[in-house]
Amino acid sequence: QKEVEQNSGPLSVPEGAIASLNCTYSDRGSQSFFWYRQYSGKSPELIMFIYSNGDKEDGRFTAQLNKASQYVSLLIRDSQPSDSATYLCAVNQFVYGQNFVFGPGTRLSVLP
Amino acid sequence: EAQVTQNPRYLITVTGKKLTVTCSQNMNHEYMSWYRQDPGLGLRQIYYSMNVEVTDKGDVPEGYKVSRKEKRNFPLILESPSPNQTSLYFCASIGVTDTQYFGPGTRLTVL
Repeated sequence: QKEVEQNSGPLSVPEGAIASLNCTYSDRGSQSFFWYRQYSGKSPELIMFIYSNGDKEDGRFTAQLNKASQYVSLLIRDSQPSDSATYLCAVNQFVYGQNFVFGPGTRLSVLP
Repeated sequence: EAQVTQNPRYLITVTGKKLTVTCSQNMNHEYMSWYRQDPGLGLRQIYYSMNVEVTDKGDVPEGYKVSRKEKRNFPLILESPSPNQTSLYFCASIGVTDTQYFGPGTRLTVL
């Protein structure tokens, strides 16, 4: 059974700080990795995807992937209260296709 | 506007009464998927479809059916709903780079 694990939180950080969200996965064959943000009562929305080992930056967000350690993380710089949400890690065995596995999510709270 | 629509958004029903949740996308995506979301368990995939007339089971398919007769539509069918199917359901359409576009969700309560 493929598994994706995340700390459920809540993770609380002060406004302006760096929030670090972590995710581990069990399937070594996983090829693509995603971070979604979900506000309470809303549907998930994509923040970033990453396919290759290393870092990928997009604005205030940086995704980091280490396939050897089966670990993917999301850093949020200059955290804002509007970043308060649940962050879902998702993993796919295929580069393009189906059969995604989501983690349970980490609830982030950014304190003004 | 690119979007995924689901209907109904909220549904309260009774055990055993067949129901269908519709899902439609206007992005011409081949891949679509259904998830349920439960507290502490995250999103779990029910069924997915790679194209018209091609569907396959996800991680929690028991008690559900799907069909894909047209590319844009992917309905979820509960032939005999039970209380353990009370959940929040999301349909997703999957584009290039595996980006999933989620519908607004359907909150189902089975009494």
